[in-house]
Amino acid sequence: EDQVTQSPEALRLQEGESSSLNCSYTVSGLRGLFWYRQDPGKGPEFLFTLYSAGEEKEKERLKATLTKKESFLHITAPKPEDSATYLCAVQGYSGSARQLTFGSGTQLTVLP
Amino acid sequence: NAGVTQTPKFQVLKTGQSMTLQCAQDMNHEYMSWYRQDPGMGLRLIHYSVGAGITDQGEVPNGYNVSRSTTEDFPLRLLSAAPSQTSVYFCASSLDGGDTEAFFGQGTRLTVV
Repeated sequence: EDQVTQSPEALRLQEGESSSLNCSYTVSGLRGLFWYRQDPGKGPEFLFTLYSAGEEKEKERLKATLTKKESFLHITAPKPEDSATYLCAVQGYSGSARQLTFGSGTQLTVLP
Repeated sequence: NAGVTQTPKFQVLKTGQSMTLQCAQDMNHEYMSWYRQDPGMGLRLIHYSVGAGITDQGEVPNGYNVSRSTTEDFPLRLLSAAPSQTSVYFCASSLDGGDTEAFFGQGTRLTVV
């Protein structure tokens, strides 16, 4: 059974204070690891897909990295508009294909 | 450019009532799915479909039915609502359900009293 654990559950940062969010996972053959952003009252919005250990992807102030056991979402010099819940999900090759297993998310608050 | 559209946005049901949550996408995606989101538990897959006429169960299918008569629509039916079904429901679609991004609707907040 695929499992995803995200930490911390909540994170408060001052504007400009860089930090990282963690996503630990277990999966029987990783097909893809996904990061989504979710604003209050909205559906998740896709950020990145990572496929293999060592891969990195960047978008504005966000950089996602992947190892064989975990992924990190690094936030550099965050702004208040980066405040959201960040969700991590994995898709493996076991069981029914194409299912995403989500973590419970990290709620990020960036204070001005 | 509507993407994934869910209706209604909010709904209150009495225990035992039935209802259908609507989901439509205009991206010609083959794969559609329904999730529920509960505090501290993340998104959990209810049912999914890999194409018109094909549906399958996800992690938490009990109490829910789906059908997929067209590529565009994927309604979720609650047969006899229970308080345990109080949740926020999200519909999602992707090109083929593989390692491509999923597009989510805005969600339906359902309360069963």
